[in-house]
Amino acid sequence: GENVEQHPSTLSVQEGDSAVIKCTYSDSASNYFPWYKQELGKGPQLIIDIRSNVGEKKDQRIAVTLNKTAKHFSLHITETQPEDSAVYFCAASLSGGSNYKLTFGKGTLLTVNP
Amino acid sequence: GAGVSQTPSNKVTEKGKYVELRCDPISGHTALYWYRQSLGQGPEFLIYFQGTGAADDSGLPNDRFFAVRPEGSVSTLKIQRTERGDSAVYLCASSAFGVSNEQFFGPGTRLTVL
Repeated sequence: GENVEQHPSTLSVQEGDSAVIKCTYSDSASNYFPWYKQELGKGPQLIIDIRSNVGEKKDQRIAVTLNKTAKHFSLHITETQPEDSAVYFCAASLSGGSNYKLTFGKGTLLTVNP
Repeated sequence: GAGVSQTPSNKVTEKGKYVELRCDPISGHTALYWYRQSLGQGPEFLIYFQGTGAADDSGLPNDRFFAVRPEGSVSTLKIQRTERGDSAVYLCASSAFGVSNEQFFGPGTRLTVL
């Protein structure tokens, strides 16, 4: 089955700096890669996703890049703000089949210091 | 509109007891997923429903775990003879099958087995 590795496990940045979180996946058939933000006591919230037919996607301060050859994808947050502090999870799944179950990484605790 | 809701938000039980966890998906979403999240980990897939049927239950850890979705909407996750190792946050997610992979998560039920 799919295995997703995520690094780093913790990341501390100063407000206004950029943050980068990296993930690798094992199943070359995976073609859908979402990123979720989880705040304390809440469920994961989708912040951006990318499909394997594109290499990059951007939404305001958030961008995701995908390298299918290397089976590697990354989340980039620019101009970080204290409210960006949370746990971020990457995930992978196979789109177009009969089951879109997600395989998650172990998460990255991002702390943005004012 | 209303998101995914889960009840109860917290459940404390004793080892050996039976528990039921409820999930109300977003109206009209035909796909429903259960995940389990242990402390410091990413969510792990348990079971997936498409309509009323369990299309994939490969993530259920053993036969003490069972889930139903009799009318294709609300789902109940049932755990028999609970063990301390079952303590975790149980997350439910729903999606509009065939439209997008995007899964919308509920806030979770925190289960504590004493």
